Amino acid sequence: TQLLEQSPQFLSIQEGENLTVYCNSSSVFSSLQWYRQEPGEGPVLLVTVVTGGEVKKLKRLTFQFGDARKDSSLHITAAQPGDTGLYLCAENSGGSNYKLTFGKGTLLTVNP
Amino acid sequence: EAQVTQNPRYLITVTGKKLTVTCSQNMNHEYMSWYRQDPGLGLRQIYYSMNVEVTDKGDVPEGYKVSRKEKRNFPLILESPSPNQTSLYFCASSLSHPIYEQYFGPGTRLTVT
Repeated sequence: TQLLEQSPQFLSIQEGENLTVYCNSSSVFSSLQWYRQEPGEGPVLLVTVVTGGEVKKLKRLTFQFGDARKDSSLHITAAQPGDTGLYLCAENSGGSNYKLTFGKGTLLTVNP
Repeated sequence: EAQVTQNPRYLITVTGKKLTVTCSQNMNHEYMSWYRQDPGLGLRQIYYSMNVEVTDKGDVPEGYKVSRKEKRNFPLILESPSPNQTSLYFCASSLSHPIYEQYFGPGTRLTVT
């Protein structure tokens, strides 16, 4: 089973600050997904990245897939209280592998 | 509305009493999966199903059973629950492969005493 490491585990910042969270693996990803989970709810997909070096933007969120496809980052600009939640990365090695492995997540709190 | 539903949402039971958590999706998805979420351990995959009558073990299958007799339903069965199965359980579905977006249900909070 591929191990996904997310860092930091906890992050508490003030509204308006920027932040970056990371997802790293010892093995190559086929695809990587980022989810956000709010308390009492299931995770919701933010983005899927599949190409090494790929950068995707979703409003104030920027997702990057490492060139070697073993790491990914999520950068949030000018964080808002509504960004508070648990950010999870998940990987699948593709092809005939139907397992999906999640990292333990980064719990982000944005204080007003 | 496209959705994944789970029942019950909350369940308190005793050790050894068989229980079933139901999961249903209305999106005609082929892939369905069960996860458990525990503090400090994240989301861990229990079982998944690629299609009707096709299931396979995830990372933590011990103590669980599943079946996929119909495309829309994927129940999770605990034949003899134990306290270490106290957890938050999520069902999810996606188009045909986990590379596609996973749609999660609202979760089932299970407590085994």
